[in-house]
Amino acid sequence: RKEVEQDPGPFNVPEGATVAFNCTYSNSASQSFFWYRQDCRKEPKLLMSVYSSGNEDGRFTAQLNRASQYISLLIRDSKLSDSATYLCVVNLFTGNQFYFGTGTSLTVIP
Amino acid sequence: DVKVTQSSRYLVKRTGEKVFLECVQDMDHENMFWYRQDPGLGLRLIYFSYDVKMKEKGDIPEGYSVSREKKERFSLILESASTNQTSMYLCASSSGGRAEISNEQFFGPGTRLTVL
Repeated sequence: RKEVEQDPGPFNVPEGATVAFNCTYSNSASQSFFWYRQDCRKEPKLLMSVYSSGNEDGRFTAQLNRASQYISLLIRDSKLSDSATYLCVVNLFTGNQFYFGTGTSLTVIP
Repeated sequence: DVKVTQSSRYLVKRTGEKVFLECVQDMDHENMFWYRQDPGLGLRLIYFSYDVKMKEKGDIPEGYSVSREKKERFSLILESASTNQTSMYLCASSSGGRAEISNEQFFGPGTRLTVL
């Protein structure tokens, strides 16, 4: 069983739509959670960290559900520039265990 | 701006060759990481280092070694390259040392290695 699982998509949505991605993790000892964004043929970049209380950054909202062991990313009012692959990342407290999901592909269509 | 650079964008090597992948960061970060990224498998951690001359194994260290002689440079070594090591290799760095290992990671552009 993979440590982190994501629906690979692709998600094709029209501009202005709201889209949500989920990511499940298998290890209940996981301590830190992140969403990274990776554009085609580019390196990953941090989109946002995910806090227990949930957090929002403009059009992006991230939430953590420890009981069900999943994190989510909600994108409101999608823009063409949101087209990318979104990577879910989980870190165990021990530090040397970073687990990346395989990514969810999003294409925003004009 | 944080900058992480990698020595090559594309590299082609033959089976059995010794391969060095170099990574340099200019932000005085304590932590440096090497990942490989493969379709359907995502990024997997090979090794990381939280200080000069310190290293720890990640998820898939077999067939690889690393060297960190200077704070800004982290090298990945394939002692004897094999075809199953054909992949995209990504280096990353972050601040804070081992106690803050979960800080934001900044990635280099990647090296696409092909082993024939």
